[in-house]
Amino acid sequence: DAGVIQSPRHEVTEMGQEVTLRCKPISGHNSLFWYRQTMMRGLELLIYFNNNVPIDDSGMPEDRFSAKMPNASFSTLKIQPSEPRDSAVYFCASSIQGWQPQHFGDGTRLSIL
Amino acid sequence: TQLLEQSPQFLSIQEGENLTVYCNSSSVFSSLQWYRQEPGEGPVLLVTVVTGGEVKKLKRLTFQFGDARKDSSLHITAAQPGDTGLYLCAGEDNFNKFYFGSGTKLNVKP
Repeated sequence: DAGVIQSPRHEVTEMGQEVTLRCKPISGHNSLFWYRQTMMRGLELLIYFNNNVPIDDSGMPEDRFSAKMPNASFSTLKIQPSEPRDSAVYFCASSIQGWQPQHFGDGTRLSIL
Repeated sequence: TQLLEQSPQFLSIQEGENLTVYCNSSSVFSSLQWYRQEPGEGPVLLVTVVTGGEVKKLKRLTFQFGDARKDSSLHITAAQPGDTGLYLCAGEDNFNKFYFGSGTKLNVKP
């Protein structure tokens, strides 16, 4: 069975550019999560969708970040404009319902120069 | 500050040794999960505990949820190099918020 699929795996871009990260959750899962992981702050929840509707976006750092889930099989996390401090590994996870258990993708390693 | 504090932050041991990793909080959690993350991959769920005092075993790994549901421990018996990774605890509080701990980075040397 296919797990959570994220693309791209790596992204290197210059500050000021728009960055779009993509996620395909596991089929049949109703909840989707975006996380950011850094050495300094660990794994932080950015936003949580349930049935394609954002439930908790309190972790989204600022207006430069936006996330959408247009349908049950696709979500995007967009950063515009990007800044060097946005460099991190971004994970997408999905679950059948709610917080548990969550299945994680392999992440997108983002470097903003 | 982290709602869930894990200790130790780093642990380097020889193959065959035993170890315990701790996850502590001042908050009560309705459930707590343990994940293991290997380099270049996402975290993978190991276990979920929901009842105070609950003990679960997964081969050489023993997980315990504190009686007051504020803390948890992970004990590994006879560690192997394949146990190397980042161990994360995560908890759901009574307000349906979910938090990850700071993590323990384990290195088991052959």
